[in-house]
Amino acid sequence: AQSVTQLDSQVPVFEEAPVELRCNYSSSVSVYLFWYVQYPNQGLQLLLKYLSGSTLVESINGFEAEFNKSQTSFHLRKPSVHISDTAEYFCAVSDGNSGNEKLTFGTGTRLTIIP
Amino acid sequence: NAGVMQNPRHLVRRRGQEARLRCSPMKGHSHVYWYRQLPEEGLKFMVYLQKENIIDESGMPKERFSAEFPKEGPSILRIQQVVRGDSAAYFCASSPPIREGKKTQYFGPGTRLLVL
Repeated sequence: AQSVTQLDSQVPVFEEAPVELRCNYSSSVSVYLFWYVQYPNQGLQLLLKYLSGSTLVESINGFEAEFNKSQTSFHLRKPSVHISDTAEYFCAVSDGNSGNEKLTFGTGTRLTIIP
Repeated sequence: NAGVMQNPRHLVRRRGQEARLRCSPMKGHSHVYWYRQLPEEGLKFMVYLQKENIIDESGMPKERFSAEFPKEGPSILRIQQVVRGDSAAYFCASSPPIREGKKTQYFGPGTRLLVL
């Protein structure tokens, strides 16, 4: 069984400051890792994903995440946040070995940008 | 290319009624997943379907819930005899064939079910 832990339920950050949203996972098999963003009353949008290869992955809007196998982490970072980054962020994993790609989600981190 | 479509976006039912939620996957996608999001919680997997087949229903409640993905038409999540605890946002996601290796699910806007 897999599980995902997002320890921070809410993170307030001043505009243009850096941010890190933490994600740790537990799995007995290899995994694929994902960050999704959810804006109010909307569905989830894929932010970035790690499948294999380089452990540092980037999104088009300045976010990046690093897969750390020894620490079983996939923290999301951005060096300078913008008001438009206010949203809920979900970390998720899926089994990297089977053809079943169902996602196991964390409970989410609500990022609030303070002007 | 239209995204994943879900309807209705909002659904209000009284206790004991049936709720029927529809999901049309993206064009070319043959896999559909349903997730439920309870208030202030993350998404929980319910069921994984391919055309005419249920692949994994390990997250489905044992009673009152059923899902299908027929050869033609949208995937349907049906909840019979709804109770207040069924109030949640239900999200559908679709993904391309596994052979494409993209490993990515694309989510619809969700159906928000309110049971009175």
